[in-house]
Amino acid sequence: ILNVEQSPQSLHVQEGDSTNFTCSFPSSNFYALHWYRWETAKSPEALFVMTLNGDEKKKGRISATLNTKEGYSYLYIKGSQPEDSATYLCAHMNYGGSQGNLIFGKGTKLSVKP
Amino acid sequence: DGGITQSPKYLFRKEGQNVTLSCEQNLNHDAMYWYRQDPGQGLRLIYYSQIVNDFQKGDIAEGYSVSREKKESFPLTVTSAQKNPTAFYLCASNLGGLSNQPQHFGDGTRLSIL
Repeated sequence: ILNVEQSPQSLHVQEGDSTNFTCSFPSSNFYALHWYRWETAKSPEALFVMTLNGDEKKKGRISATLNTKEGYSYLYIKGSQPEDSATYLCAHMNYGGSQGNLIFGKGTKLSVKP
Repeated sequence: DGGITQSPKYLFRKEGQNVTLSCEQNLNHDAMYWYRQDPGQGLRLIYYSQIVNDFQKGDIAEGYSVSREKKESFPLTVTSAQKNPTAFYLCASNLGGLSNQPQHFGDGTRLSIL
């Protein structure tokens, strides 16, 4: 994998459903993996920054895992609510190239119906 | 409140005209970034600056110029050489370098061609 890939591209769920998305990234020279939530008409908001293989982070009903050896991260939302509707972006940072710069995926757009 | 302010929210450019997008931050961050978003694409890096009086080209710098004369400010000029400037532009900042800190984003500027 050369770029950051996110799947699915979009997702429609009912209120109360639990859901998860995938972010795949190059595993070589890995430094960090970021997750952001981007609600319509607002600015992207950071959810997690993960650096260690096996990392698991949680913020309320949202959690994320990281596998740096195989190059993927999962974002889970438990009991989705309408206010969770947003585009979820992941971004990868590595040691190579321009240090400190993020490479973003295209995002997963989540719609939660009440 | 600390944050990033982008202005204007909407901007229209005539053919052959240069326009400048403003980005100001009061977070005392060293690094600032400009991204472009097009429909169906991830955020793409235009220019970045890790420190005052220094900046580097990102992945899609052609047709754009920047300056970083003050730590707080990182204006982006869309020149007439940018043939497809219609897009949503996001400014971000963070501590810079290989930092574990997330990027903080402004609310964006939507640029359209008249």
